Amino acid sequence: GAGVSQSPSNKVTEKGKDVELRCDPISGHTALYWYRQSLGQGLEFLIYFQGNSAPDKSGLPSDRFSAERTGGSVSTLTIQRTQQEDSAVYLCASSPRGGIIGENIQYFGAGTRLSVL
Amino acid sequence: KNEVEQSPQNLTAQEGEFITINCSYSVGISALHWLQQHPGGGIVSLFMLSSGKKKHGRLIATINIQEKHSSLHITASHPRDSAVYICAVLNTGNQFYFGTGTSLTVIP
Repeated sequence: GAGVSQSPSNKVTEKGKDVELRCDPISGHTALYWYRQSLGQGLEFLIYFQGNSAPDKSGLPSDRFSAERTGGSVSTLTIQRTQQEDSAVYLCASSPRGGIIGENIQYFGAGTRLSVL
Repeated sequence: KNEVEQSPQNLTAQEGEFITINCSYSVGISALHWLQQHPGGGIVSLFMLSSGKKKHGRLIATINIQEKHSSLHITASHPRDSAVYICAVLNTGNQFYFGTGTSLTVIP
């Protein structure tokens, strides 16, 4: 596909379980971003990858959150021991270069809606 | 105090009106984004800019680095422009800060 793909589109899980969210960026895009939007809240930046490395992990809300990116392409966001406050839409975006290097539009996926019961 | 302030929070306009949404920020930035979020939740990145002015169709974004201010203008507004518009800045430490958004409703 031509756009950013996220899976699953919806995930319902029980409190305490681990979840993995996947993002397939646009082919050739080196920068990848994860955000989340909780109900009634604004967008919250989580983490940013340039290639396989994550220059900025400061947005991760707790040590239960981790993310990796392999091969400079697919990224997974893992939430361990999920809590109800983790319920949100998790958005992924990619851009050709990103970061402070240049001016690049971010292309967003449709998001994964996570509900923790 | 938020690092990014948007105004107005809510805006209702008649179709055809010229619309301006403002964004002020308090941190040193390397770039500023304008995002559009439709009622269904989908988010589109409209502009990313670090100086001057950009235009895309009926949308114009400007930024004044000295005044730490950006504006998003919509000319000849249309009901399909109804959405939440979000200003986001990337600071020099590569940290993002987001405004709380401006909810725009354009009435036919």
